Amino acid sequence: EPEVTQTPSHQVTQMGQEVILRCVPISNHLYFYWYRQILGQKVEFLVSFYNNEISEKSEIFDDQFSVERPDGSNFTLKIRSTKLEDSAMYFCASSDSSPPFFGPGTRLTVL
Amino acid sequence: RKEVEQDPGPFNVPEGATVAFNCTYSNSASQSFFWYRQDCRKEPKLLMSVYSSGNEDGRFTAQLNRASQYISLLIRDSKLSDSATYLCVVSMDSNYQLIWGAGTKLIIKP
Repeated sequence: EPEVTQTPSHQVTQMGQEVILRCVPISNHLYFYWYRQILGQKVEFLVSFYNNEISEKSEIFDDQFSVERPDGSNFTLKIRSTKLEDSAMYFCASSDSSPPFFGPGTRLTVL
Repeated sequence: RKEVEQDPGPFNVPEGATVAFNCTYSNSASQSFFWYRQDCRKEPKLLMSVYSSGNEDGRFTAQLNRASQYISLLIRDSKLSDSATYLCVVSMDSNYQLIWGAGTKLIIKP
């Protein structure tokens, strides 16, 4: 069964550093998403991406964040100048106009 | 008012029992509705979409009431493996910018 993969599974970084979270969506999917979930809280939409551009983004997705599809398979989320409050699970998801399938997530810990 | 509201639980239910969750949403323009399931520290997984006519998948039945803006999920003959958090999810458009409830925790006891 095809699946969304994410690397790394856990990323620890120092406050102020930049991190790149990587995702490989399901191969024939055209819509890609990033969500985050702070421990004990609900899942929050960050951004959706279609046709090599952002289609929607939330208030959370400010200038600190960027997404990129550098090649035909990867989809990345870059977080610049990380803050303590960026600590969360970051889920990548993809869809083919179906409800999204989620990857296993990257746990980001900012110290 | 929260956009998608759920009773956080936990619901402690004996194995084999029937359990039901409700969820309310605030935006009447919401287009699509889903139940996702999330195990502890895992990713959400789609359980089922919810259609206006109601739909069933094995032991699971989902219903949508657009007039009252609520969604329900019924689990019959509950199994230990049904223990999880059940997330009510609403989409405003076809781009699946999903709006999530905080989830209802279900614990099935032997």
